[in-house]
Amino acid sequence: NAGVTQTPKFQVLKTGQSMTLQCAQDMNHEYMSWYRQDPGMGLRLIHYSVGAGITDQGEVPNGYNVSRSTTEDFPLRLLSAAPSQTSVYFCATYPGQGQPQHFGDGTRLSIL
Amino acid sequence: DQQVKQNSPSLSVQEGRISILNCDYTNSMFDYFLWYKKYPAEGPTFLISISSIKDKNEDGRFTVFLNKSAKHLSLHIVPSQPGDSAVYFCAARHNTDKLIFGTGTRLQVFP
Repeated sequence: NAGVTQTPKFQVLKTGQSMTLQCAQDMNHEYMSWYRQDPGMGLRLIHYSVGAGITDQGEVPNGYNVSRSTTEDFPLRLLSAAPSQTSVYFCATYPGQGQPQHFGDGTRLSIL
Repeated sequence: DQQVKQNSPSLSVQEGRISILNCDYTNSMFDYFLWYKKYPAEGPTFLISISSIKDKNEDGRFTVFLNKSAKHLSLHIVPSQPGDSAVYFCAARHNTDKLIFGTGTRLQVFP
């Protein structure tokens, strides 16, 4: 039982490149979310989804796109990477509103 | 505007003693509070939570206290163990799935 799997674990991009961060869960949870963690800032919500086909914006959505075509997968897309998007990205899943979230181990992204 | 604040970036405690981690918030509409623990190179893991209708919740060595009038919550770990050394985040939400996290406190438990 892998829980929440994030790939890749590390990535270096050049400014302007695009990339997709993958998140897959095998917990059959309806709810999924993406956070970024920056030094001194804690975790901030980027986008979240309450089920397949439904997504909504979080606290810092600009520069990121998401889609949810299946219950298992919730990819995060950077269309044109910027140095300000250098961060550690965490995906989380949870069974219902208000339930504690289960996090993946993160993707460390550097944009030069 | 930081709605959830953890003003102590680090805390050092001797093994066996009590660790007290503090968290303050500004939004009186928050209805649920959680504590997460994070080891290096891993994602946060859920530790304990408390609803705004309660003032205390206990789970083994971990107890969370909520003081709504002071907009303050604290996590007590008794007794502290070396394996408790990690970064602790408090988080809050109000009627949605949008969690607001604090900046974290790094706890070090030494022998």
